[in-house]
Amino acid sequence: EVQLLESGGGFIQPGGSLRLSCAASGFTFSNYAMSWVRQAPGKGLEWVSTIHGPGSGTYYPASVRGRFTISRDNSKNTLYLQMNSLRAEDTALYYCAKDRSVWYSRGFDVWGQGTMVTVSS
Amino acid sequence: EIVLTQSPGTLSLSPGERATLSCRASQSVSGSYLAWYQQRPGQAPRLLIYDASSRATGIPDRFSGSGSGTDFTLTISGLEPEDFAVYYCQQYGSSPLTFGGGTKVEIK
Repeated sequence: EVQLLESGGGFIQPGGSLRLSCAASGFTFSNYAMSWVRQAPGKGLEWVSTIHGPGSGTYYPASVRGRFTISRDNSKNTLYLQMNSLRAEDTALYYCAKDRSVWYSRGFDVWGQGTMVTVSS
Repeated sequence: EIVLTQSPGTLSLSPGERATLSCRASQSVSGSYLAWYQQRPGQAPRLLIYDASSRATGIPDRFSGSGSGTDFTLTISGLEPEDFAVYYCQQYGSSPLTFGGGTKVEIK
């Protein structure tokens, strides 16, 4: 069974850092691009970052570029999101999502259950 | 950045009825690279349609997608009780990837 399991969320003060992890199983991890998508409480979905299957290319929207870093360890079937300089507006449920393609996004066909990040003083 | 506008915001229908959801893009979506997702309360999103009209694995054929350029449609041919949920469109033809604001399909 294809599964994604996120961890690492929590309560953090503004300006702090947090690293999220996503453990993948049931598919050949290195053959697919992976992404993070977030959802603020009661709001819609927002793309956060994507990384190519081999880990050679990364992509971010302007809202997190320079603060967040996506990475992966294909030997451990694990995806990461390092989040620095956190702001209140980063408060959200963070989903790990598997892409249909090895390279850039072609739709997210598997999602984890999410890990909650709350940024507040 | 491509802005996706979904309409209506809420659709009130009865089981068995046909649902038609719209997603309009602020500029043409390259390659018709548009997906639809379903999100039930307390659950993660689920991919329904990719490349505007291709059904994802395991998705019932009552779900269909159509459109190109700037106008896209998700049709649910006969609503089942489990179909009452929020639906999002997403474009992946250009960066940044963007989602629409969602359409809630509720029981009338």
